[in-house]
Amino acid sequence: GENVEQHPSTLSVQEGDSAVIKCTYSDSASNYFPWYKQELGKRPQLIIDIRSNVGEKKDQRIAVTLNKTAKHFSLHITETQPEDSAVYFCAGGYQKVTFGTGTKLQVIP
Amino acid sequence: DAGVTQSPTHLIKTRGQQVTLRCSPKSGHDTVSWYQQALGQGPQFIFQYYEEEERQRGNFPDRFSGHQFPNYSSELNVNALLLGDSALYLCASSLSAGNNRGQFFGPGTRLTVL
Repeated sequence: GENVEQHPSTLSVQEGDSAVIKCTYSDSASNYFPWYKQELGKRPQLIIDIRSNVGEKKDQRIAVTLNKTAKHFSLHITETQPEDSAVYFCAGGYQKVTFGTGTKLQVIP
Repeated sequence: DAGVTQSPTHLIKTRGQQVTLRCSPKSGHDTVSWYQQALGQGPQFIFQYYEEEERQRGNFPDRFSGHQFPNYSSELNVNALLLGDSALYLCASSLSAGNNRGQFFGPGTRLTVL
């Protein structure tokens, strides 16, 4: 089955700086890669997703890139704000998605 | 437009008991997936239901079973509870058959097994 690895496990950035979270996957059949944000005690929220026929997707301060050859994808958050502090999960798969282990992002005001 | 709802919010059971968790999908969604999220970990896929049938299953024992009703709502049943079953159980719904694209999660049910 699919195996998704996520790095780093924790990330601290100054407000206004950029944050990058990286994930790798193992199954070449995987064609869908969503990213979720989960605040403490709350449900995961879909923040952006990308399909395997696209190399990059942007939504305001958030962007995701996908390298199918290398089987890795990344989340980029620019101009970070304190409210971006949360745990971020990458996921990947075909008919079912496998989640990464999460990155705890702390944005320091 | 109601989002994904789950009940109950919290549940405490003892080892060996059975539990049933419920999920109502987002309006217009026809596919329901269940996940187990242990503290500090990512959600682990249990199974997915579409057209009242189990379409995909993760690496969970047969103690975990489910059902989907004609109105697309779903139940997760866990028999012979173990201490290790303590977790947040998340339901996610989506539109389109057989895949998880654009999943929206419910608030979860926190299960504690004593």
